[in-house]
Amino acid sequence: QKEVEQNSGPLSVPEGAIASLNCTYSDRVSQSFFWYRQYSGKSPELIMSIYSNGDKEDGRFTAQLNKASQYVSLLIRDSQPSDSATYLCAVNSGTYKYIFGTGTRLKVLA
Amino acid sequence: KAGVTQTPRYLIKTRGQQVTLSCSPISGHRSVSWYQQTPGQGLQFLFEYFSETQRNKGNFPGRFSGRQFSNSRSEMNVSTLELGDSALYLCASSLVENYGYTFGSGTRLTVV
Repeated sequence: QKEVEQNSGPLSVPEGAIASLNCTYSDRVSQSFFWYRQYSGKSPELIMSIYSNGDKEDGRFTAQLNKASQYVSLLIRDSQPSDSATYLCAVNSGTYKYIFGTGTRLKVLA
Repeated sequence: KAGVTQTPRYLIKTRGQQVTLSCSPISGHRSVSWYQQTPGQGLQFLFEYFSETQRNKGNFPGRFSGRQFSNSRSEMNVSTLELGDSALYLCASSLVENYGYTFGSGTRLTVV
């Protein structure tokens, strides 16, 4: 079992819709959780961090964390073609390294 | 505020050679981490340095090594290059462990 799992996609959504990206992790002692966006040919960019159960909102982005279910999600409201990218989930278990999922490719259709 | 700077951006090496990649973190960031990114494996952790000390190391062979200098700049070295070492090597720095990384633009290494 992989430590951080994501559906590779592509996830296709129409412009203006809500995109829902999911991530599960295996280490129960994981402390902090991150979502990165990576455009093709570019390096990952941090877009959200979440540390406690519940929702955290930042503009059109909402991160959701459920530690009991070992599940993290990212919602993108009013999706735009510029949101088309690969979204990476990362988990930190307090050992000075982050474990990344292999990413979900999102395509927002105009 | 300058970001994370990696040099060079691109490298082509032949099998058996060695290579050194450089990373300058954001000013004030003392933690520097290195990752290898390939299409099949995604981002794989190589090592993390803080104040010149390696605090964690990933599951890579001993051909992969790194170091950090007193000004927080870091280098990684790969000796006896293999074709499978072709990848994007990303450096990331952070101010505090749980605050997330800022990545550099990466070094694209091609081994022929």
